[in-house]
Amino acid sequence: DGGITQSPKYLFRKEGQNVTLSCEQNLNHDAMYWYRQDPGQGLRLIYYSQIVNDFQKGDIAEGYSVSREKKESFPLTVTSAQKNPTAFYLCASQQVGGSYDTQYFGPGTRLTVL
Amino acid sequence: AQSVTQPDIHITVSEGASLELRCNYSYGATPYLFWYVQSPGQGLQLLLKYFSGDTLVQGIKGFEAEFKRSQSSFNLRKPSVHWSDAAEYFCAVGEGYQKVTFGTGTKLQVIP
Repeated sequence: DGGITQSPKYLFRKEGQNVTLSCEQNLNHDAMYWYRQDPGQGLRLIYYSQIVNDFQKGDIAEGYSVSREKKESFPLTVTSAQKNPTAFYLCASQQVGGSYDTQYFGPGTRLTVL
Repeated sequence: AQSVTQPDIHITVSEGASLELRCNYSYGATPYLFWYVQSPGQGLQLLLKYFSGDTLVQGIKGFEAEFKRSQSSFNLRKPSVHWSDAAEYFCAVGEGYQKVTFGTGTKLQVIP
């Protein structure tokens, strides 16, 4: 089955710790995205990558970091600098080039800071 | 800058009744428009999209949406709601590959 997987589904972090959220896709999509979702605020873009070894900050990148060493993988690290990290995190991917395509989403990771 | 407004935070409908969820956007050119649905604790699933052509688009699960340029709207409709349609619905507008703006969502409750 083609799709996007995110792990873990639930993640708990103590204050001051860094945590890494996994996102893997087997859709052969070029672009990948990380969004943060908070109640009543919709989705906000954290980082995106359109090609391996390249990524760009989104609207709320402070306190987060990413890497894109492989086309299939786009892990997100929530650092201790992120002051309010408790949220639902969604990863998405999209084919780039040719006609415009849709973003497809993974099932999400809920991060809770204890 | 592009923006999306979903004026209804929460809507309650009876099972079997018709449904219309409102979406207004602000964007200078012809936008790429989307409706997604999200069940609690899940990711977003694409219901339908509008890129060009026929302004009435059909999607999955019996949903449709109509693009009205004059009103900057892209409202989602369903003739007869089922209990399984209870979820949160997001309208989104895309300008480019990195510029997809989402509305704040409308939660749909379906009562028997």
